[in-house]
Amino acid sequence: EDKVVQSPLSLVVHEGDTVTLNCSYEVTNFRSLLWYKQEKKAPTFLFMLTSSGIEKKSGRLSSILDKKELFSILNITATQTGDSAVYLCAVVQTNAGKSTFGDGTTLTVKP
Amino acid sequence: NAGVMQNPRHLVRRRGQEARLRCSPMKGHSHVYWYRQLPEEGLKFMVYLQKENIIDESGMPKERFSAEFPKEGPSILRIQQVVRGDSAAYFCASSPAYRGLLSETQYFGPGTRLLVL
Repeated sequence: EDKVVQSPLSLVVHEGDTVTLNCSYEVTNFRSLLWYKQEKKAPTFLFMLTSSGIEKKSGRLSSILDKKELFSILNITATQTGDSAVYLCAVVQTNAGKSTFGDGTTLTVKP
Repeated sequence: NAGVMQNPRHLVRRRGQEARLRCSPMKGHSHVYWYRQLPEEGLKFMVYLQKENIIDESGMPKERFSAEFPKEGPSILRIQQVVRGDSAAYFCASSPAYRGLLSETQYFGPGTRLLVL
C-alpha cells in the first residue's frame, strides 16, 4: 500500500526559530514529490521535487529530496506567525496522476 | 485568470439525501482530481478524470459515490444517500496537460465542506 508519512505531526515554535519538517514515502512508481501549505482553505503549492540532492528555495523556505532514502525535508528559517499552517507532503505516481498525501505537519509560530 | 472554482462552498444534507459537488478547473486545464479531507486527517485521493473519461478511481468508495467530467460544464462529484461519515471537506484540483504530458502541479479549489446531519 502506498504510504506517505510526515513528522512531526505538530510543532510549536517562536518567531525567528528555524524548523525542519520531514516527509518519508513508500510508493510504487514515484514521479515527483510536492509540498503544499494549507491554512484554513485549499492547499497552496510550494515546491515540486523530482531529482535527488537539488535544493529548491523560495525566500525563507527550502526543500530537498533524497530518492535513495525515500524522504524529503522542508526547512523554514526565521519563522513568522504567518507561517502557521498545515504543511502537506504529496507524492505523485507515474501515469496515474494521483497524489498520495501525508497527514500533514501542523506548525504554530508564536510571537 | 480565475483559479479552480468549487460550489457550493458549504453544503448541509440530511442522512439519505444526495449531495452534488461541482468543480470548474482553471482555464486551459483538462485534468481534474477529487480529494476528501476528513476532520483532523490529511487529503485522500478519490478520483482522477479527464474530459469524458475516468482515468483512476481507485480512491472512490465502491458504493454511493460517482464522478464525471463532461465535455461541457464542470466536474461533478455525486454522493447518494449520504451518511454522517461523509461529512468532510471535498477538494478539487486541476492541472494542465502540457504537450501531451501530465503536469504534476495541481492547483486546488477552495473546497466544499459537506455536513451531514
